[in-house]
Amino acid sequence: NAGVTQTPKFRVLKTGQSMTLLCAQDMNHEYMYWYRQDPGMGLRLIHYSVGEGTTAKGEVPDGYNVSRLKKQNFLLGLESAAPSQTSVYFCASSFPGPYEQYFGPGTRLTVT
Amino acid sequence: GENVEQHPSTLSVQEGDSAVIKCTYSDSASNYFPWYKQELGKRPQLIIDIRSNVGEKKDQRIAVTLNKTAKHFSLHITETQPEDSAVYFCAASFPSYDKVIFGPGTSLSVIP
Repeated sequence: NAGVTQTPKFRVLKTGQSMTLLCAQDMNHEYMYWYRQDPGMGLRLIHYSVGEGTTAKGEVPDGYNVSRLKKQNFLLGLESAAPSQTSVYFCASSFPGPYEQYFGPGTRLTVT
Repeated sequence: GENVEQHPSTLSVQEGDSAVIKCTYSDSASNYFPWYKQELGKRPQLIIDIRSNVGEKKDQRIAVTLNKTAKHFSLHITETQPEDSAVYFCAASFPSYDKVIFGPGTSLSVIP
């Protein structure tokens, strides 16, 4: 099992560009999450999904959109990137409920 | 609002000593409290968790205690080793219990 994977690992964007981050899991987990990690601020929840076709807002959803068309995939989109979105993005998944979340390796995004 | 505070932000101990990290949460209805460890450049990984119906839980050198009345919980690491050096995050479940909110993290350094 690959567990939770994220694509890409690194990306540099210019202000105003768009991109999509892909998260995939092969553990048949119902719940999936997108976090951003910034120094001194821990892991902040952007959006999450409790099942295929569902999405919900987290703590810091502005500037991001998500989709969960397939159970195993959770996409995070940035429509118009801003320097404030420079961060490390982690995806996580879990069985029903936020218990024992399995994290992906992260995507380091820089917006110039 | 939903909030988890964590102290201290940095902690340095001698190898073999104990380390204690404390967290407080805002919602008295929270019922799940996990702890994650993140080594430098790696993904967060769950090391121990506790449910609200339990006051203490141990797993070898690590233990977590919960005081629901005071709305705080703590991580205790005994006989620390250099490989315990990492950032530790506490978290608490919130309203719908579909998600957890993380504290800002504690950077633990174990000095050989």
